[in-house]
Amino acid sequence: DQQVKQNSPSLSVQEGRISILNCDYTNSMFDYFLWYKKYPAEGPTFLISISSIKDKNEDGRFTVFLNKSAKHLSLHIVPSQPGDSAVYFCAAATYNQGGKLIFGQGTELSVKP
Amino acid sequence: DAGVIQSPRHEVTEMGQEVTLRCKPISGHDYLFWYRQTMMRGLELLIYFNNNVPIDDSGMPEDRFSAKMPNASFSTLKIQPSEPRDSAVYFCASSSRTYNSPLHFGNGTRLTVT
Repeated sequence: DQQVKQNSPSLSVQEGRISILNCDYTNSMFDYFLWYKKYPAEGPTFLISISSIKDKNEDGRFTVFLNKSAKHLSLHIVPSQPGDSAVYFCAAATYNQGGKLIFGQGTELSVKP
Repeated sequence: DAGVIQSPRHEVTEMGQEVTLRCKPISGHDYLFWYRQTMMRGLELLIYFNNNVPIDDSGMPEDRFSAKMPNASFSTLKIQPSEPRDSAVYFCASSSRTYNSPLHFGNGTRLTVT
């Protein structure tokens, strides 16, 4: 049973436009959410996170939005750059599960010049 | 900081053979995680350790998989016997604390079982 789902395997965006990556979860106990970015032949690297007590967190061009009632989070990248082309994973954790991260399947973002 | 180091980067083996993947976490990190990446399931947590002790191995697929952490600077993931369906990229990650601490991943081991 996939507790964290990224339903779009791929997304293509023009340089300078907004990229929106979506993630849904089923476990209402999740209280911490993260986004990771992964380039080919490398491990995932941490990008941005959000606690369940917030509904938005911003870091430069990256903003994560959390809608707890819909069990949905999204990552906005504005403006998108070719170097943002990578696979993006969302992940969720809950304090009473020892903090282990449950990841989605990933979304491959392609930013075209 | 050298980061999390995994070896080998690539492993090709025949079905039935034993495979051992290795990981050196970041010095000072108390938590170590093994993940497996496949197209269908994304990143799956297999097992994690805290202070060299296995805490949660509920993600280990079956008895063919085993993991050890004999000391704070080394861990192994062993598959015996290997099967074609084990083909995947295996990642090791470490962190200084759990819950809201981001994980630092190694570059992975791409395993192909023929």
